[in-house]
Amino acid sequence: DSGVTQTPKHLITATGQRVTLRCSPRSGDLSVYWYQQSLDQGLQFLIQYYNGEERAKGNILERFSAQQFPDLHSELNLSSLELGDSALYFCASSMGLAGGLSTDTQYFGPGTRLTVL
Amino acid sequence: DQQVKQNSPSLSVQEGRISILNCDYTNSMFDYFLWYKKYPAEGPTFLISISSIKDKNEDGRFTVFLNKSAKHLSLHIVPSQPGDSAVYFCAASARQAGTALIFGKGTTLSVSS
Repeated sequence: DSGVTQTPKHLITATGQRVTLRCSPRSGDLSVYWYQQSLDQGLQFLIQYYNGEERAKGNILERFSAQQFPDLHSELNLSSLELGDSALYFCASSMGLAGGLSTDTQYFGPGTRLTVL
Repeated sequence: DQQVKQNSPSLSVQEGRISILNCDYTNSMFDYFLWYKKYPAEGPTFLISISSIKDKNEDGRFTVFLNKSAKHLSLHIVPSQPGDSAVYFCAASARQAGTALIFGKGTTLSVSS
């Protein structure tokens, strides 16, 4: 158990809909990262938050957005969903050393499997 | 363009033998490398890391070797155990630039008893 929790575990929805994925980092971790893993693909970095502020952005679509709240939990919002958005979405957290640079070890949650029908 | 490549999608090894997983990278700015292990229906688990100032890092049965001139790193597991059967991801980042981790597509290791 990494200490990172993600809800829900599974999510099935229809095209055009909007969903919210939730992540609670390990106790004391300031950085939260979101990744997408599609079939036969590696982990694609989406976005990082450090202590409530956006720190780094990867290949995140404009239809996707995220935020980190004062209690440090994070939410990833996916809107206007398409079939191709079906994937595993992982959240990771790290202590946030060096001002949030992504150099400290990241601990991953179990993921949310999103299926868009 | 893939900056981190794991060219072998799968590897089969017998219990007790050595498993060698390979990873190549193209970005010469990368200076921090990690290996993660992932079981089905679970998130990736951190295994071992190495900074570019080192060429070897060891932790129990796991050793990571870094060859900067060849832009190549490898993970050695000795001895391999059936419980090591999982997908192994190589990841890299450029600390000076503060970039996020870039992951390879993974290698599925199967250890048979």
